[in-house]
Formats: sequence, structure tokens, C-alpha cells
Amino acid sequence: NAGVTQTPKFQVLKTGQSMTLQCAQDMNHNSMYWYRQDPGMGLRLIYYSASEGTTDKGEVPNGYNVSRLNKREFSLRLESAAPSQTSVYFCASRGMSSYNEQFFGPGTRLTVL
Amino acid sequence: QQQVKQSPQSLIVQKGGISIINCAYENTAFDYFPWYQQFPGKGPALLIAIRPDVSEKKEGRFTISFNKSAKQFSLHIMDSQPGDSATYFCAAPRPDSWGKLQFGAGTQVVVTP
Repeated sequence: NAGVTQTPKFQVLKTGQSMTLQCAQDMNHNSMYWYRQDPGMGLRLIYYSASEGTTDKGEVPNGYNVSRLNKREFSLRLESAAPSQTSVYFCASRGMSSYNEQFFGPGTRLTVL
Repeated sequence: QQQVKQSPQSLIVQKGGISIINCAYENTAFDYFPWYQQFPGKGPALLIAIRPDVSEKKEGRFTISFNKSAKQFSLHIMDSQPGDSATYFCAAPRPDSWGKLQFGAGTQVVVTP
């Protein structure tokens, strides 16, 4: 049982490049989340998926797109990376039996030059 | 705009001392207040949470207290240990959704030997 996994762990992009961050969970959870973490800002929600086939914008969705490929996988895409998107990105999932507890992945550290 | 305000930003406490972190929220969909603990290079993990109709919860050395009228809740770490050195985040459900959390900015706790 790996929990929530994220790839890659580290990534460096140039301004304007695109990339997809991958997230998968093996806990049979319905809900999945993408957050970004910046110093002094806590965790800010980018996108949320309550179940397979549904997505919802969070606090900071601009510049990002998501895909809930199936129940296990939730990807985050940066179409044209900007330096302001330099951050640590966390994926999380939540199941019906865990009383609103979110389980986080190890994070992806992204630098945009 | 931070809907959950957390203080202090950082604190240093001696081994055996008490660490106290405070949070205040504006609005929430549900009286559920979790605290997440994050070690360097790792994703956050649920430490302790308080559910509706309960004003205090204790798990080992960690205690949450909740003041509904003041819209405040706090985390007390008793007999602090070097292994407690981490960043702590408080959270509350967003006003529009029980399944989405709004996080505080985080408190970095350092416990000195």
C-alpha cells in the first residue's frame, strides 16, 4: 500500500515550457486535490476532484489544468510555465471512511527559470 | 486572502517545554478543525483533529482546544521533544464545501535539546 505517489520529485523548467505532474493513490479514495505550498502562504488549493469525472477550481487555478483520468489518477498540467509557478506541489486524497482526513503525497519541487 | 490566520510564524522551545499555536477562522462550513504536521522534505500528515460538539481533544502530548464563540482554536504540545520539530498547519473546512480545507500559513516549531 503506497498511499499517494507523485512524479517527478524535482523538476526545472524554462519560462514557457509545459509539463504534467502526475499523482496516483491506491486507497480507493473518491476525492483528490492539488495544492501548492509557498513560504508564509501555507497550502493553497489549486484544483479539487470530488469523484472520477468531476473537477472544481480552488483558490489559485489560473495557469493550471487538471485531468481526473480515473479513480486512482489526478494530473496537474502547466501549459506555459511562469516563474510565479515556482513552488512545491502536493497531491492529496480523501476517502469516505476517513472523516475528512486528507492523505498527502511527498510533493514535487518545481523551479521555473 | 488567508481565511485562517495562524500565529506565531515560528517558535523555539526547550525540550520539556510547552508549545502553543493559535488559529482564528472567519467562516467554516463545519466545526471540524484538523492540525497537520510536516517534516522537511515530506508531505503534511494529520496529527490530531477536533470534531463538532467537542471543545477539547487530547491525544498523548497533543491537545486541541476550540472556542466557537471566538472562532479560535489552538494546539498545545506538552513536554515538547526534539522529534516534534516540524511545521504545523491548522485548517478548517471552507465555507462552501466540507471537503475542501483552508489552511493557515504554518508555524515552524524548533525544540532545542
